[in-house]
Amino acid sequence: EDQVTQSPEALRLQEGESSSLNCSYTVSGLRGLFWYRQDPGKGPEFLFTLYSAGEEKEKERLKATLTKKESFLHITAPKPEDSATYLCAVQGVKGYQKVTFGTGTKLQVIP
Amino acid sequence: DSGVTQTPKHLITATGQRVTLRCSPRSGDLSVYWYQQSLDQGLQFLIQYYNGEERAKGNILERFSAQQFPDLHSELNLSSLELGDSALYFCASSPRHDLDTQYFGPGTRLTVL
Repeated sequence: EDQVTQSPEALRLQEGESSSLNCSYTVSGLRGLFWYRQDPGKGPEFLFTLYSAGEEKEKERLKATLTKKESFLHITAPKPEDSATYLCAVQGVKGYQKVTFGTGTKLQVIP
Repeated sequence: DSGVTQTPKHLITATGQRVTLRCSPRSGDLSVYWYQQSLDQGLQFLIQYYNGEERAKGNILERFSAQQFPDLHSELNLSSLELGDSALYFCASSPRHDLDTQYFGPGTRLTVL
């Protein structure tokens, strides 16, 4: 069964203090790994899709990287508006279309 | 705004009752996905429809069912409701049948008393 573990569960950063969120996964053949941002009481907002080890994608202050066992979401010089829960999800080659989500990392950026 | 709409926004009902949640995908998207998000379990994939046909099933209970109509909107029916069914229910859409980018709606918060 596909598994996704995110760490830390919660992270508190000062504005401008860079850090990384971790997503460890177990899947029998990775079809795609996804990062989402979710604000309280709202639907997840798509950030990135990564398909193969070594792939990297960037968007503003966020950069996602992928290895065969984990993905990192690097946040450079975060701002208070980056405060949210960041979700990681994987889709395996088997279990067509089934997406498994992690429980997320709750990020708080303090001014 | 993702372009995905869900109604109602909030729903309060009693155990044993039946409710219907509605989702309209983004214009042009053929796939609709349903998810349940509870505090203790995170986001759980329930079911996917593509162009009116069931495409994939996840952790959906037998008491739950869904369908996608010719105009591509989708409904999730929850019956014989239990306290544990209280959760946020999200709908997402994507352009194709294979998973790429999903756009999530704002969700329906279901409270079962």
